[in-house]
Amino acid sequence: AQSVTQLGSHVSVSEGALVLLRCNYSSSVPPYLFWYVQYPNQGLQLLLKYTSAATLVKGINGFEAEFKKSETSFHLTKPSAHMSDAAEYFCAVSDPGYSTLTFGKGTMLLVSP
Amino acid sequence: DAGVTQSPTHLIKTRGQQVTLRCSPKSGHDTVSWYQQALGQGPQFIFQYYEEEERQRGNFPDRFSGHQFPNYSSELNVNALLLGDSALYLCASSLALGAGGELFFGEGSRLTVL
Repeated sequence: AQSVTQLGSHVSVSEGALVLLRCNYSSSVPPYLFWYVQYPNQGLQLLLKYTSAATLVKGINGFEAEFKKSETSFHLTKPSAHMSDAAEYFCAVSDPGYSTLTFGKGTMLLVSP
Repeated sequence: DAGVTQSPTHLIKTRGQQVTLRCSPKSGHDTVSWYQQALGQGPQFIFQYYEEEERQRGNFPDRFSGHQFPNYSSELNVNALLLGDSALYLCASSLALGAGGELFFGEGSRLTVL
C-alpha cells in the first residue's frame, strides 16, 4: 500500500521568502511522485513529477522538488514566494501500473505582503 | 486542445436521491479516473475505467458506480445520496501506457447533499 504524509496543514511565508512544503511517502514499489496545486474552486494542476530519472525535478512557476530515497521524502521548494503562489498544494504517489494517485491531505500556502 | 471537461459544475440534491456526473477526457487519452475531494481533504480515488471496464476501485461502497463509453467519456453515478457524499468530484484522464502515470484533472463537479 502507498501513502503520503504532508507535514503542516498551513504554511505562512512573506512575499520573497523561501517556500518549503514537506512530503514524505511510503511505497512498496519504486514510486512515481507528484506535486499538484489547487487554486480556490478549481481542479488540480500538475506542478512537477518524479519518474525515476533525475532526483532534482524542476516544475512550473519556479518550483522544484528533490527525491531523497533514504529519507522517503519529496519536499517542494521555491526560492522566492510570490503572492500568486497562495493556493493549496498536494503531494501524491502513483502506482505506475495503473496511474492511480494516492494524495496527501494538502498544505495551504499563505503568502503575506 | 481541450482538456478534461466535467458537467455539471455545481448541483444540489437531497438525501436518498441519485446523481450522475459526466466527464470528457483530454484528447488522446483512453483512461478515466474519478476522485472525491471532501472539504479540507485531499482527493480520494473512487475508481478507474479503461476499455469500458472498471480496472481498479478504491474503498467506496457499491452506491458509487460508473461507466465508460466507446468515445472514452465517462459517467459517475451515486445512488441513495448521503449527507457525507457532499464533495468536489474530480475526473482525471491519462494514457493507459506510458506518460509516467501523469493525470490531467478537470475542474470538478461540486455536489451538495441536503
